[in-house]
Amino acid sequence: GQQVMQIPQYQHVQEGEDFTTYCNSSTTLSNIQWYKQRPGGHPVFLIQLVKSGEVKKQKRLTFQFGEAKKNSSLHITATQTTDVGTYFCDSNSNSGYALNFGKGTSLLVTP
Amino acid sequence: DAGVIQSPRHEVTEMGQEVTLRCKPISGHDYLFWYRQTMMRGLELLIYFNNNVPIDDSGMPEDRFSAKMPNASFSTLKIQPSEPRDSAVYFCASNSIGSDTQYFGPGTRLTVL
Repeated sequence: GQQVMQIPQYQHVQEGEDFTTYCNSSTTLSNIQWYKQRPGGHPVFLIQLVKSGEVKKQKRLTFQFGEAKKNSSLHITATQTTDVGTYFCDSNSNSGYALNFGKGTSLLVTP
Repeated sequence: DAGVIQSPRHEVTEMGQEVTLRCKPISGHDYLFWYRQTMMRGLELLIYFNNNVPIDDSGMPEDRFSAKMPNASFSTLKIQPSEPRDSAVYFCASNSIGSDTQYFGPGTRLTVL
């Protein structure tokens, strides 16, 4: 099935460094959802973006939706060890078909 | 609400055996999704239901996999016969109409020897 592509697949940072993951699609997205999965856990919903150019913040996390609604980013400022996990984006295209989550971005934060 | 409930949490079986995974979605949710997660392929959508009706099963790997939703509060994913390459974590998720937020269950870790 269709898929939003995420980059990078893996990221290893030192605690305190910033981190960004990107989701890209060849088709226009109606919205985008971000999820976090801790090691051994299940995906947990973080946020949904709907509007073109939308920016939302959750403490140290900043989420952006591109103007063309074909890409999105998640930025973490000053990472902490609690940020460790895999971050997934998920969306439906304007045609309404469900897209796969894909492989996500696995973040490792070392103290 | 207890959230999405899956059983069993862990399943170890031998190749060729039938495996049945179970899911109870959040009450009132209209959509139910089955996913498979592996290191190699990430989180893959297998099938999803709307109001108990299968909508898209294009992600089901092959005829050995089948899924049913006999009522709004129960779904099963069956693998018969199971193979070692089916080893993965299988997640069930649900959401309500008008919302794209999916609530995931804890998953079933399947190991086929």
